[in-house]
Amino acid sequence: QVQLQESGPGLVKPSETLSLTCTVSRGSISSYYWSWIRQPPGKGLEWIGYIYYSGSTKYNPSLKSRVTISVDTSKNQFSLKLNSVTAADTAVYYCARAPSSLDWFDPWGQGTLVTVSS
Amino acid sequence: DIQMTQSPSSLSASVGDRVTITCRASQSISNYLNWYQQKAGKAPKLLIYAAFRLQSGVPSRFSGSGSGTDFTLTISSLQPEDFATYYCQQSYSTPYTFGQGTKLEIK
Repeated sequence: QVQLQESGPGLVKPSETLSLTCTVSRGSISSYYWSWIRQPPGKGLEWIGYIYYSGSTKYNPSLKSRVTISVDTSKNQFSLKLNSVTAADTAVYYCARAPSSLDWFDPWGQGTLVTVSS
Repeated sequence: DIQMTQSPSSLSASVGDRVTITCRASQSISNYLNWYQQKAGKAPKLLIYAAFRLQSGVPSRFSGSGSGTDFTLTISSLQPEDFATYYCQQSYSTPYTFGQGTKLEIK
């Protein structure tokens, strides 16, 4: 069954850009919605945004001014960029799939911890 | 944004107990409510989708109910592997939002 794997730097300096990629394996990126979700250490889950395989996006208004999600269907990957990061952006970042924009997240990637620190 | 409020925030129970976790939405979300289980250091795992539909492979001791604004997750007979944190999530409208979580601990 489909598997998701996040990758990217584990340490980002304040004011710089956090960049992560999610690679989809054992399945196609087509016809699904692909989300990024984060979880600060010891805290709850926050949805960041999604991209449809065609390229349309939707972002959480709380992060919209700093977020860009893109997709590369040829590589079966989608990516997250979050600029002007601060310590408050330190979190485990997950990628996840949804069958439609009204549906649940399944499966999820294993998550990757990104720490914002100088 | 739709606010999701879970209760209780934490719960102590014993193996074999029946446990119910409640999730309330700040406005009607029809049946666009999903439940996840998260164990320490792991990604959330989908248990229930669309309020009451059991995800494939999830034991039948898990069940969900509700519609509109009030929802429940019930575990009929707790097993040792069920001790974890549980989250509800609405998929009715963006931004999708999660409850704050319910930590289920061993008594």
